[in-house]
Amino acid sequence: DIQMTQSPSSLSASVGDRVTITCRASERISTYLNWYQQKPGKAPKLLIYVTSILQNGVPSRFSGSASGTDFTLTITSLKPEDFATYYCQQSYSSPPTFGQGTKVEIK
Amino acid sequence: QVQLQESGPGLVKPSETLSLTCTVSGSSMTNTDWSWIRQPPGKGLEWIGSVSPTGITSHSPSLESRVSISVDTPKKQFSLRLTSVTAADTAVYYCARRQDCSGGSCYSYPWFDPWGQGTLVIVSS
Repeated sequence: DIQMTQSPSSLSASVGDRVTITCRASERISTYLNWYQQKPGKAPKLLIYVTSILQNGVPSRFSGSASGTDFTLTITSLKPEDFATYYCQQSYSSPPTFGQGTKVEIK
Repeated sequence: QVQLQESGPGLVKPSETLSLTCTVSGSSMTNTDWSWIRQPPGKGLEWIGSVSPTGITSHSPSLESRVSISVDTPKKQFSLRLTSVTAADTAVYYCARRQDCSGGSCYSYPWFDPWGQGTLVIVSS
């Protein structure tokens, strides 16, 4: 299985901050990396697919990028509704696997 | 708008079989695959398996011997059965659409969207 390692596991940030979350794949996955947002007690919600394509309705302050096997989710100007846990997921190889999550908390 | 809803018992005894159903509304089931994903309390997400509209399945290797997934497209439902459960199977179980096309573009490798709200299944005697 391809291992997905997210960093950091958690972070504290303030409204208006720029936040960057990294996801590293244990092997090449091309651009087949997706990002999800999960709020407490809710199902995950798709934010970005194929590394950088925003799902319909997702604000443009969210963006995704890649460099080799390292993938980045960036949130520019953090808003109160962005405090959540974020998961990356590779779909290049079966089984699809998720990162362990990054919890974004209010500072 | 596509919506998914899980249903099934919230409590299952150890060694018994967990059975869940996902009902799909707002979309035909014939154009894509459908998946089950679970999340133990306080932990991350684990893909369980997927089923195509014609009933072709794929499963997580770690669960393969205990998992079966089936689909009933006329009823717009797909189901999960997990046998010989233990406390380690306690989790929120989500159903999700496995999608590889959006906005007129299709890609070789899919993502999961949307998800059902999830249902907590506790394995305990």
